[in-house]
Amino acid sequence: GQQLNQSPQSMFIQEGEDVSMNCTSSSIFNTWLWYKQDPGEGPVLLIALYKAGELTSNGRLTAQFGITRKDSFLNISASIPSDVGIYFCAGSSTGNQFYFGTGTSLTVIP
Amino acid sequence: DSGVTQTPKHLITATGQRVTLRCSPRSGDLSVYWYQQSLDQGLQFLIQYYNGEERAKGNILERFSAQQFPDLHSELNLSSLELGDSALYFCASSLSIAGGRETQYFGPGTRLLVL
Repeated sequence: GQQLNQSPQSMFIQEGEDVSMNCTSSSIFNTWLWYKQDPGEGPVLLIALYKAGELTSNGRLTAQFGITRKDSFLNISASIPSDVGIYFCAGSSTGNQFYFGTGTSLTVIP
Repeated sequence: DSGVTQTPKHLITATGQRVTLRCSPRSGDLSVYWYQQSLDQGLQFLIQYYNGEERAKGNILERFSAQQFPDLHSELNLSSLELGDSALYFCASSLSIAGGRETQYFGPGTRLLVL
């Protein structure tokens, strides 16, 4: 099945730094979702985006729906140790089947 | 807590066996999705059910089958198990109203180990 290109694959940052990651698709999507997954747990929904250009925040997290509708971005400001985990993007053009990114593994060094 | 429940949390079985994984969606959600996640892998979409009917099929093996019951809970049946079927299996649910804003909420997963 289709997978989205998510980058970077992994990040090692110092506590307090900002983080940026992105997701690209060859298809146009009308929905982008961002999830965080802790080891052995289910993905937890962070932010949902439904309109090109939309910018949505959830605490220190901000995500944007790209203007081309083929990409999305997630930023985390002032990272803290509990931000550690794997971040996944997911996109859909139909509202039914979602395609998931390959994940960005985030490590925060205290 | 997403509101999606999955049982069992862990399952250990032998090759050639058959197991059933169970999922209850969030209250009011009509769609159930099943995903497989192998070690250090992304989420692979298996199948979607909407209000009791199969709606979309992904990379689901012929040895695997699923169904959604009238009360909207779903079961994923895995048969003739192989070592490579060891993985985390997630269920997700969504409301799936036409024209609605879709989101998927994931359950805690079932960790399957085939020995």
